[in-house]
Amino acid sequence: EAQVTQNPRYLITVTGKKLTVTCSQNMNHEYMSWYRQDPGLGLRQIYYSMNVEVTDKGDVPEGYKVSRKEKRNFPLILESPSPNQTSLYFCASRLGNIQYFGAGTRLSVL
Amino acid sequence: GEDVEQSLFLSVREGDSSVINCTYTDSSSTYLYWYKQEPGAGLQLLTYIFSNMDMKQDQRLTVLLNKKDKHLSLRIADTQTGDSAIYFCAEIGSQGNLIFGKGTKLSVKP
Repeated sequence: EAQVTQNPRYLITVTGKKLTVTCSQNMNHEYMSWYRQDPGLGLRQIYYSMNVEVTDKGDVPEGYKVSRKEKRNFPLILESPSPNQTSLYFCASRLGNIQYFGAGTRLSVL
Repeated sequence: GEDVEQSLFLSVREGDSSVINCTYTDSSSTYLYWYKQEPGAGLQLLTYIFSNMDMKQDQRLTVLLNKKDKHLSLRIADTQTGDSAIYFCAEIGSQGNLIFGKGTKLSVKP
């Protein structure tokens, strides 16, 4: 089954403790991206990757890092999480003009 | 800049039609999308329309596109309680990312 898989689905952490949210797709898509969703703000793109070893900043990249060492994986890294990064995060991969989204990761930073 | 606007709330009675409206700014967008997010769930692509089309119908869903006014609408016929969700309008941005509206919360009353 074609899918985008994120882990974990839920995460509670404390300020400053590094964390990684994994994202994997099994569709061999070149383009992958991360979004965050906040009430009243909709979804905003954090980072995107056009292909392996190619990443670029989206609209809200501050406080995040990504890597794309292989086509299927695109982890989101928070080196020093802060409470304003409490949000719902979505990973997506794209083929042509259709984006496929993961189920989301709800992160709370205390 | 690129922006997508939609009203935040819509309430209808079961069996009525729902119409969710959206305006966008980027006239060069080739595709426009409607995504559905049920409570606690991820994003589901409902339908999309290519910019050279005026209308697209898919079962109970009708998408209307007015390119001159940069206006997109989603009509749901015979709205059911299972249609209660947040509906996001989106266009493709210059970086290949999706530019989302803030979402319209549809409430369906029995």
